[in-house]
Amino acid sequence: EAGVAQSPRYKIIEKRQSVAFWCNPISGHATLYWYQQILGQGPKLLIQFQNNGVVDDSQLPKDRFSAERLKGVDSTLKIQPAKLEDSAVYLCASSFAGERTYEQYFGPGTRLTVT
Amino acid sequence: SQQGEEDPQALSIQEGENATMNCSYKTSINNLQWYRQNSGRGLVHLILIRSNEREKHSGRLRVTLDTSKKSSSLLITASRAADTASYFCATALIQGAQKLVFGQGTRLTINP
Repeated sequence: EAGVAQSPRYKIIEKRQSVAFWCNPISGHATLYWYQQILGQGPKLLIQFQNNGVVDDSQLPKDRFSAERLKGVDSTLKIQPAKLEDSAVYLCASSFAGERTYEQYFGPGTRLTVT
Repeated sequence: SQQGEEDPQALSIQEGENATMNCSYKTSINNLQWYRQNSGRGLVHLILIRSNEREKHSGRLRVTLDTSKKSSSLLITASRAADTASYFCATALIQGAQKLVFGQGTRLTINP
């Protein structure tokens, strides 16, 4: 079974530039998540989709971050403009949706460095 | 602030010894999950324990949950070099909401 795919794996940009990350979840997983993980910390949820609808985006800095999941499968996360503090690993995860809480499956992440 | 807090922040033991990590949380949960993260395999789910369960086993892993103390522990028995990784607890607050809140993690190093 194919896992969660993410690209690119690494990205270096200058502050004030824009960047986009792509995620393809496991087939059949209705729920997709984007996390930000700063070095030495645990992952922090940025946004959660169920199919193509947003379930939770309470911690997404909406003045600079945006995400979409147009057809309920792939998703993109964009940062515009980037700040130095956005340097982190951006993780995409997916899970089944339903009455109970399921385990999440994570992609390899995109390591973003903002200079 | 994070819902879950792991303790200790870092742990270093000899291969073959047992490793115990603890997680405390603040609000009532539906379930608690443990994940492992290393450079080779990324973040991987290890075990899920529901709020009405007290103990769960999976291979060399043993997880306990004490909802009265709002705490959980992860025991890895007979540790191996491959167990070197960061371990995170994650709490699910509401059934079916699928949202997890991760702690800061425990960095475990297994010395040969």
